[in-house]
Amino acid sequence: GAVVSQHPSRVICKSGTSVKIECRSLDFQATTMFWYRQFPKQSLMLMATSNEGSKATYEQGVEKDKFLINHASLTLSTLTVTSAHPEDSSFYICSARDLGLAGVSWETQYFGPGTRLLVL
Amino acid sequence: DQQVKQNSPSLSVQEGRISILNCDYTNSMFDYFLWYKKYPAEGPTFLISISSIKDKNEDGRFTVFLNKSAKHLSLHIVPSQPGDSAVYFCAAFHSGAGSYQLTFGKGTKLSVIP
Repeated sequence: GAVVSQHPSRVICKSGTSVKIECRSLDFQATTMFWYRQFPKQSLMLMATSNEGSKATYEQGVEKDKFLINHASLTLSTLTVTSAHPEDSSFYICSARDLGLAGVSWETQYFGPGTRLLVL
Repeated sequence: DQQVKQNSPSLSVQEGRISILNCDYTNSMFDYFLWYKKYPAEGPTFLISISSIKDKNEDGRFTVFLNKSAKHLSLHIVPSQPGDSAVYFCAAFHSGAGSYQLTFGKGTKLSVIP
């Protein structure tokens, strides 16, 4: 199956610093990537939809100035957590849709392994 | 407001027996449902899906049942194998929304005991 990678897999940073997380589709092109956040014992919550070449669409309650998303190419989307605080500590996971498959085939949404962020 | 609910955080089943994972939803606009399986340190992987026009979909050892009137779906795994031990997420989608947004439940951790 298609592979989506995330880097880094784990990051620890000091409060006030910015952290960039990369999401790459390794063997397919993705016009749309999704960024989720999962707190312990909670469900995956969609933060934003990242569209290649255009601005991301943020879900209600997600600060777009704090969580900067850039989708510069068909294989790369980045999420930057700016001025991170301890409450931003969470598991961030991205997914990507395979551009090459037509129709609403939800099995074509492939997930990355996630990034564990800890803000001290 | 949790639109997709998996009320059992964990489930233990003996190898060879049936595993039944349940999921309830509240949004009547959802018309497509998916189950994902997640191992530690890996992203969720697609397992099986069902459209709201069906009430059953089967793929090998995995069967998903949908009861639209009760807004309930379940995943049956039979026979259960130790390799099935993972966290299972139920997800729902509204195809008419145009946003490709999946709404996930909190997950159920399945442990299959050898």
